[in-house]
Amino acid sequence: AQSVTQLGSHVSVSEGALVLLRCNYSSSVPPYLFWYVQYPNQGLQLLLKYTTGATLVKGINGFEAEFKKSETSFHLTKPSAHMSDAAEYFCAVRRRGGSQGNLIFGKGTKLSVKP
Amino acid sequence: EAQVTQNPRYLITVTGKKLTVTCSQNMNHEYMSWYRQDPGLGLRQIYYSMNVEVTDKGDVPEGYKVSRKEKRNFPLILESPSPNQTSLYFCASRPGGAGMGQYFGPGTRLLVL
Repeated sequence: AQSVTQLGSHVSVSEGALVLLRCNYSSSVPPYLFWYVQYPNQGLQLLLKYTTGATLVKGINGFEAEFKKSETSFHLTKPSAHMSDAAEYFCAVRRRGGSQGNLIFGKGTKLSVKP
Repeated sequence: EAQVTQNPRYLITVTGKKLTVTCSQNMNHEYMSWYRQDPGLGLRQIYYSMNVEVTDKGDVPEGYKVSRKEKRNFPLILESPSPNQTSLYFCASRPGGAGMGQYFGPGTRLLVL
């Protein structure tokens, strides 16, 4: 069965510092990989996704993620944090093949940005 | 404006009183899903639908029902709600193609007393 692990339920960075949010998946076949962001009292918004091809994926708001098959990881980064990045971030996977309707989320990482 | 709408946004009910949360999308998406979000557990998929009259269970389907009679609507039905179904519920939709991302509704906060 697939699973997603996000290391660190809370991450705190200073404004301007590097943001690194970790995501590892467990699957025999590399799945489709997604990062979503949830701002307070809102629904989730897609940040970026990996389906195939280039392993470094760029998303909205300056975020990017790199798919590393050997490490079964899809960590999210941003070179310089902004106060507006404070939110909860979710990594999610969908397996390839089958009904393709099932999406599995990690437990989320809450990002705080200090001035 | 492309969107997923949910109603109601907030609901307080009592144990055993049947309720329905509606979900509608205006993007002609094939796939629709329901999730519940609980602190420390992230989002867990309840049910999903690949198209009209085609639905399947997610990871936590117990106590819930769904139907997809029209492509745009995907209501979530709790026939006999219990306190452990107190949660924040999200509906989502996406186009066909497993690599596509989902569009989420604003959420429905449910309290079952």
